[in-house]
Amino acid sequence: GQNIDQPTEMTATEGAIVQINCTYQTSGFNGLFWYQQHAGEAPTFLSYNVLDGLEEKGRFSSFLSRSKGYSYLLLKELQMKDSASYLCAGMDSNYQLIWGAGTKLIIKP
Amino acid sequence: GAVVSQHPSWVICKSGTSVKIECRSLDFQATTMFWYRQFPKQSLMLMATSNEGSKATYEQGVEKDKFLINHASLTLSTLTVTSAHPEDSSFYICSAREPGLDTGELFFGEGSRLTVL
Repeated sequence: GQNIDQPTEMTATEGAIVQINCTYQTSGFNGLFWYQQHAGEAPTFLSYNVLDGLEEKGRFSSFLSRSKGYSYLLLKELQMKDSASYLCAGMDSNYQLIWGAGTKLIIKP
Repeated sequence: GAVVSQHPSWVICKSGTSVKIECRSLDFQATTMFWYRQFPKQSLMLMATSNEGSKATYEQGVEKDKFLINHASLTLSTLTVTSAHPEDSSFYICSAREPGLDTGELFFGEGSRLTVL
């Protein structure tokens, strides 16, 4: 079956760095997405990885290892506004997104 | 990036009534749109794939007679929750892909929060 696993909740301190892990099992693979979702709002796109390695975009970076079925989202210089849920989603061979339950990130001053 | 707009953002209705939610792609044509439902503290659940000019494809367990989807134009898809009940209260979100975009990124509407009394 297809499955996405990510931690339910994480806590970090303002200004610090946090890494949110995601493991995936999909039927075929056409990429791994990370979305940010603030409470009561729709998800917004953060990153897309289809090749192994690290993709850096400002304070946010995303890593993919296809052989391990593993990805992480790295957030640096955390700000209070980064408090949100972070959704990991894998795209299968039919280009359908398989969504994780999301990781709620709590930032403390 | 592409813009997807959803309306209304909030709706409260009485049990037994029907509610229509609109999803529009504002700056691109979307032959396919996706409708999701999200309960509190849970992930997005794909309800159906809306196809312009043809019938929607529903996910297993989603009642197609209850959740009517119409995709009459390349920029508009509607979801009608018929005979709504309190258990239908949820956050409904639509999304679409911009044609020709290699990443397959989904662009989401703002979401519609439905509360059925």
